[in-house]
Amino acid sequence: EVQLVQSGAEVKKPGESLKISCKGSGDSFSSYWIAWVRQMPGKGLEWMGNIYAGDSDTRYSASFQGQVSISVDKSISTAYLHWSSLKASDTAIYYCATNSGAMDVWGKGTTVTISS
Amino acid sequence: EIVLTQSPGTLSLSPGDGATLSCRASQGVGGRYLAWYQQKLGQAPRLLIYGASNRATGIPDRFGGSGSGTDFTLTISRLEPEDSAVYYCQQYDTSPFAFGQGTKLEIK
Repeated sequence: EVQLVQSGAEVKKPGESLKISCKGSGDSFSSYWIAWVRQMPGKGLEWMGNIYAGDSDTRYSASFQGQVSISVDKSISTAYLHWSSLKASDTAIYYCATNSGAMDVWGKGTTVTISS
Repeated sequence: EIVLTQSPGTLSLSPGDGATLSCRASQGVGGRYLAWYQQKLGQAPRLLIYGASNRATGIPDRFGGSGSGTDFTLTISRLEPEDSAVYYCQQYDTSPFAFGQGTKLEIK
């Protein structure tokens, strides 16, 4: 079974760019879909989109299309979530998880804080 | 896009009680591709049920799932204090794989 390790907490200013990562270890990473999930402070889970690590086929929720980009480097078993211009409303915990069916393996989350 | 609505919003029960959580979909979920997750405070979510009724690895048989089409249920029997958490349903039949808004379970 794959394990997912996420990058550390980030504190950024509005307008800055950011890329956070989710590194897989164990079973063949290339055979998995990897999803990103947002959880704003005190709120529920929001599915942002997913990517197939084998060929980078990517799907987005309409709410996040154009706001973030999801990518993968299968040579290092790592998926990414990227913002080109952060907003205060991007403050949240971001989880990655396997999504080849139900989301059975989760990372511990990356806390992103955007503050001027 | 399939929208999931969970009820109730909050459930307050005593140890030993049974809990019934509901998840209703705005359109049919094919293949019973419906999952339930548990999220305790400060932790990542954990998969409980997949395929509407299959327990994930290591999940005790106090947790059960049922339903098909647009109506799904998570039942938890013999509640324990450690079951205090927010429970989410999610469909993974049709992208986007949205979650319900969650049910908070409090153990008095």
